[in-house]
Amino acid sequence: GAGVSQSPRYKVAKRGQDVALRCDPISGHVSLFWYQQALGQGPEFLTYFQNEAQLDKSGLPSDRFFAERPEGSVSTLKIQRTQQEDSAVYLCASSLVTGNQPQHFGDGTRLSIL
Amino acid sequence: AQKVTQAQTEISVVEKEDVTLDCVYETRDTTYYLFWYKQPPSGELVFLIRRNSFDEQNEISGRYSWNFQKSTSSFNFTITASQVVDSAVYFCALSEAGEKLTFGTGTRLTIIP
Repeated sequence: GAGVSQSPRYKVAKRGQDVALRCDPISGHVSLFWYQQALGQGPEFLTYFQNEAQLDKSGLPSDRFFAERPEGSVSTLKIQRTQQEDSAVYLCASSLVTGNQPQHFGDGTRLSIL
Repeated sequence: AQKVTQAQTEISVVEKEDVTLDCVYETRDTTYYLFWYKQPPSGELVFLIRRNSFDEQNEISGRYSWNFQKSTSSFNFTITASQVVDSAVYFCALSEAGEKLTFGTGTRLTIIP
């Protein structure tokens, strides 16, 4: 596609439910990043893939967060046993390669935990 | 550890005025990259510019210009003759080794018609 596509755009879940957020990067982009953006804050890094390899997951807040990119294209961010503090916008970005190539962002998924 | 500070939380200017958004960064690396992104109300982060640490030349793109000064660890962004469409949140970001971005807290810019 022309840009990074994320789905769903909005997700409401009850506390304790599991959720899965999808990211479809720009075709041919090697690198894929997930960020979490709380209201009124800048995005914060969660995890990074180069092709199918997860090279950095240092930003994942707990072991309830899990990300995968099994075929080096589409990625899924899964949150288990959601809590209210998980409410945020989850942004996905992709870049052609790492280095000084800019990251291109999707519209994000706004997650609300009730 | 890397850090980006955008001290201006909110700025409002009247249309056609010039406005400068400040960005100060901290890093221990000698090789790093600096970025500016725009986030309009729709929410998507739009890439504006990147700079590497070896290129201190200022850059101008239409009404936008960027002033990179390593001596003061600053990468400021100026919009000339502001327009209502410039209203958005602007983020400065830093990348060491060209990987994950560390963002500032953003500056909300409002252009008053």
